[in-house]
Amino acid sequence: NAGVMQNPRHLVRRRGQEARLRCSPMKGHSHVYWYRQLPEEGLKFMVYLQKENIIDESGMPKERFSAEFPKEGPSILRIQQVVRGDSAAYFCASSLTGTEIGNVYGYTFGSGTRLTVV
Amino acid sequence: SQQGEEDPQALSIQEGENATMNCSYKTSINNLQWYRQNSGRGLVHLILIRSNEREKHSGRLRVTLDTSKKSSSLLITASRAADTASYFCSYTGGSYIPTFGRGTSLIVHP
Repeated sequence: NAGVMQNPRHLVRRRGQEARLRCSPMKGHSHVYWYRQLPEEGLKFMVYLQKENIIDESGMPKERFSAEFPKEGPSILRIQQVVRGDSAAYFCASSLTGTEIGNVYGYTFGSGTRLTVV
Repeated sequence: SQQGEEDPQALSIQEGENATMNCSYKTSINNLQWYRQNSGRGLVHLILIRSNEREKHSGRLRVTLDTSKKSSSLLITASRAADTASYFCSYTGGSYIPTFGRGTSLIVHP
């Protein structure tokens, strides 16, 4: 089991470009969570997705950010027209189940994508 | 804010000493996890403790959970320079979404 795979590990974009971050959950996991970590900060929740559905995007900025988790393939976090303030580490986690009662197995995190906007 | 809080924010000790970090939270929880993050790296899961457990051990790690005080502690015994990292607690409770604290930065001097 390869765990949660994120790519690329490092991404450099110029202001105004688009950034696409990919996350492949653990085998058998159908729940994906995206987090952002600013330098010297903890992880802040962005969005929670199941296959083909966005369950909770309360932590996602209203503009320029979008996420998807298609039936086939990885989850994608897309940032349009990046600005310097988007520079951060973006982490993805997956879980077997997202329900309160069922989720006793915890979450597995990927190694993150470090986005630098120049 | 539902964000948890780790205490202390920073801890500096000598190799061989024990390191204790605390985590407080505000909601009822299903489970609580501790993670380590080396500088510029991803999160490494250390240990998970469920709400009906009070203590767990894994190697040199000992985690306690006091649900009445809404707090958890992580003890690293006989610390090593390689333990230098940031340590985060994460919990799920009223929301299914893992909530993270701001982390404790641990420096172990050789």
